[in-house]
Amino acid sequence: SQQGEEDPQALSIQEGENATMNCSYKTSINNLQWYRQNSGRGLVHLILIRSNEREKHSGRLRVTLDTSKKSSSLLITASRAADTASYFCATDARRTGTASKLTFGTGTRLQVTL
Amino acid sequence: DTEVTQTPKHLVMGMTNKKSLKCEQHMGHRAMYWYKQKAKKPPELMFVYSYEKLSINESVPSRFSPECPNSSLLNLHLHALQPEDSALYLCASSRHPRGLSSYNEQFFGPGTRLTVL
Repeated sequence: SQQGEEDPQALSIQEGENATMNCSYKTSINNLQWYRQNSGRGLVHLILIRSNEREKHSGRLRVTLDTSKKSSSLLITASRAADTASYFCATDARRTGTASKLTFGTGTRLQVTL
Repeated sequence: DTEVTQTPKHLVMGMTNKKSLKCEQHMGHRAMYWYKQKAKKPPELMFVYSYEKLSINESVPSRFSPECPNSSLLNLHLHALQPEDSALYLCASSRHPRGLSSYNEQFFGPGTRLTVL
């Protein structure tokens, strides 16, 4: 399987704290994406980072990518109870001219308590 | 309209039944996807349609039959399923199936929760 690994598997923090999730993958990629999934529902795209980028920000989200180590991290700053969800990294190894094909990591379950 | 809709939300079927899952998007996306997700696991890709043509089949058993009647619709026909096929089935779409742009983030529907008895 080319599935990526994420750690930690579960993370429990208090509101206002920062949450960091890590993702490792196995193959060369075109881009890496992070998604959030609330319990039993569809996934929501959070951020996409291309293979030639090292860091990207979006609101309270910061994503880094190290292609030499085949790893990425997602930092959520000043967490809120509404951030409680599962977070998945997904790698896209598509070549130019082919359809996108995402391979999801194992996911991190984040619990933010008041 | 920036959403992907899926019907039904829940489906219970016997192993001899034939049923279909439906997915619709009106964002002009030309790539559509079916994923299967078991509890506490990540989504696993099943099929990819690119410009209404099947471009990826991840060795899915023939009891699952996808269909893309037009650029807005994606169906998954189910026949003679097994209890282990019970899962959340997610549909997604993205803008550029083959373009040079990396704007290929996927938009997911809420899923159909399937139970096979």
